[in-house]
Amino acid sequence: DAGVTQSPTHLIKTRGQQVTLRCSPISGHKSVSWYQQVLGQGPQFIFQYYEKEERGRGNFPDRFSARQFPNYSSELNVNALLLGDSALYLCASSLQSGPSDTQYFGPGTRLTVL
Amino acid sequence: QKEVEQNSGPLSVPEGAIASLNCTYSDRVSQSFFWYRQYSGKSPELIMSIYSNGDKEDGRFTAQLNKASQYVSLLIRDSQPSDSATYLCAAWAQKLVFGQGTRLTINP
Repeated sequence: DAGVTQSPTHLIKTRGQQVTLRCSPISGHKSVSWYQQVLGQGPQFIFQYYEKEERGRGNFPDRFSARQFPNYSSELNVNALLLGDSALYLCASSLQSGPSDTQYFGPGTRLTVL
Repeated sequence: QKEVEQNSGPLSVPEGAIASLNCTYSDRVSQSFFWYRQYSGKSPELIMSIYSNGDKEDGRFTAQLNKASQYVSLLIRDSQPSDSATYLCAAWAQKLVFGQGTRLTINP
């Protein structure tokens, strides 16, 4: 079975631009979560979606938004990019959205903001 | 206090020895705990999960959970150079919260 897929792999943007990152979960998984990981730190939670509804939001500004589609894939949008948004963006999928639902990570999208 | 804390290391262990990785957590964290391994430039991959007090073994890996002392640990027996990576401890607090990771180096 295919794992979690993310696109694009790498992305270079300039300050003020907007970016859309995409994620397809493992087949049968209905929940998708997004994380930001900067160098030397653990992943920081951004959003969790389950059955197309937002189930959790981390401490990120409103420039960050996401949605989940009927096929359970998801997009993360970041507006008005700042230099500090440069990071590895990780998508994780799980069967459901509860505490015992193991999250499996995709390969990530490396975003560089110049 | 951070919800999940790890010593960032680096931790250096000779090949064949036992590597011990530790993680402490706050009262805001609940019942589910996870260890992930992350190689440089790659995404985290699950090693194991643990939900109950005590030990859980999977091959060369043993996770230990002590809820009274609020710590969870990961032991790696017969350490191999391929175990060199950053190990992330994660716990559920209405979301998955990660520690900053411990960088482990196994020396041949």
